[in-house]
Amino acid sequence: QKEVEQDPGPLSVPEGAIVSLNCTYSNSAFQYFMWYRQYSRKGPELLMYTYSSGNKEDGRFTAQVDKSSKYISLFIRDSQPSDSATYLCAMSRRGSTLGRLYFGRGTQLTVWP
Amino acid sequence: DAGVTQSPTHLIKTRGQQVTLRCSPKSGHDTVSWYQQALGQGPQFIFQYYEEEERQRGNFPDRFSGHQFPNYSSELNVNALLLGDSALYLCASSLGGPGSDQPQHFGDGTRLSIL
Repeated sequence: QKEVEQDPGPLSVPEGAIVSLNCTYSNSAFQYFMWYRQYSRKGPELLMYTYSSGNKEDGRFTAQVDKSSKYISLFIRDSQPSDSATYLCAMSRRGSTLGRLYFGRGTQLTVWP
Repeated sequence: DAGVTQSPTHLIKTRGQQVTLRCSPKSGHDTVSWYQQALGQGPQFIFQYYEEEERQRGNFPDRFSGHQFPNYSSELNVNALLLGDSALYLCASSLGGPGSDQPQHFGDGTRLSIL
């Protein structure tokens, strides 16, 4: 079993839709949770960065972490064609191994006009 | 403010050859991590450098080695290349070493193809 599971999709939605992206994980030591967006032929771009459980909002993006269920989500409101990309969840443990990120395989999202 | 820069952008090698990839971290960052991303997969951690030393290592063989220079830039070296080494190699930089909670920022990677 992989430590981080993410449905690869693809996910296709119309412009203006609310998008929900999810990851599950197995290691309860994970404390830091991230979402990255990766456009084709580009590197991952950090979208959201959260510590422990709870919600964090930044513009049209909301990240949720439920540590009791080992489940994290990213919601995109009013989705735009420019949101079309692969979304990667990532997480890390605290302490001296904090720098090592564990990634899901990414969900490919297409927002059509 | 320059982000993470990697060179070269693309590289084609044959089996058995050796390759060196280069990374300059984001301004102000002192920690560099390297990841391998196969097609359709998430990045896999190779290793992390801080204060010119390898601080953490993922499940990669000794054919993968690295170096960090006093200006914080870094190199990834891969010897005896295999077909399976074909991937996008990503460099990420951050501030504060392996125990820091600062986020990692990625470059656009080097796409390595092995023939």
